[in-house]
Amino acid sequence: GAVVSQHPSWVICKSGTSVKIECRSLDFQATTMFWYRQFPKQSLMLMATSNEGSKATYEQGVEKDKFLINHASLTLSTLTVTSAHPEDSSFYICSASRDGYGYTFGSGTRLTVV
Amino acid sequence: QKEVEQDPGPLSVPEGAIVSLNCTYSNSAFQYFMWYRQYSRKGPELLMYTYSSGNKEDGRFTAQVDKSSKYISLFIRDSQPSDSATYLCAMRVAGANSKLTFGKGITLSVRP
Repeated sequence: GAVVSQHPSWVICKSGTSVKIECRSLDFQATTMFWYRQFPKQSLMLMATSNEGSKATYEQGVEKDKFLINHASLTLSTLTVTSAHPEDSSFYICSASRDGYGYTFGSGTRLTVV
Repeated sequence: QKEVEQDPGPLSVPEGAIVSLNCTYSNSAFQYFMWYRQYSRKGPELLMYTYSSGNKEDGRFTAQVDKSSKYISLFIRDSQPSDSATYLCAMRVAGANSKLTFGKGITLSVRP
């Protein structure tokens, strides 16, 4: 149980375009989902906390207009990187909380902006 | 001082060795402690989850939490090449869905 599906697993996009990443909890309802960014050989950096039906809470230094998060249902949260630039290239990972138990992570999305 | 400190590694051990991974923390409000394993280009996988102080064992893995010393450990017995990965400690305060604070992670290599 407690499976989180994240798509796509990798994406290449042109500079200036937008990319949407989906995170779904397959067998449980996730009232809260988290979005992280990870650079090579570094730990996870929390970008934002997303609660179903309300606005996401962004960490300091994260541009909310650039990284749009939507959590429209208890099983789906999306992260849209708008007007992507090469510096946005990174590994993005979502996680979902199942009743506050150990959080389950998606498999990650490798974004490359060219 | 960072909230969570983790030995940076990397760590290389022969197959069959006992591995000890450690983290220290400064926030006494942390109540829940986790260890995640992350393979390259994959999301972290939850290995162990512990509430407050004590030990927890699951197969070859043992997690220890010492809240008085603000110190947590993960022991891997009879290490296997398939254990080669990055290990991240994580912890959070009480409260539903509070955010995780991670250590930097340590890369373990188990040599056949």
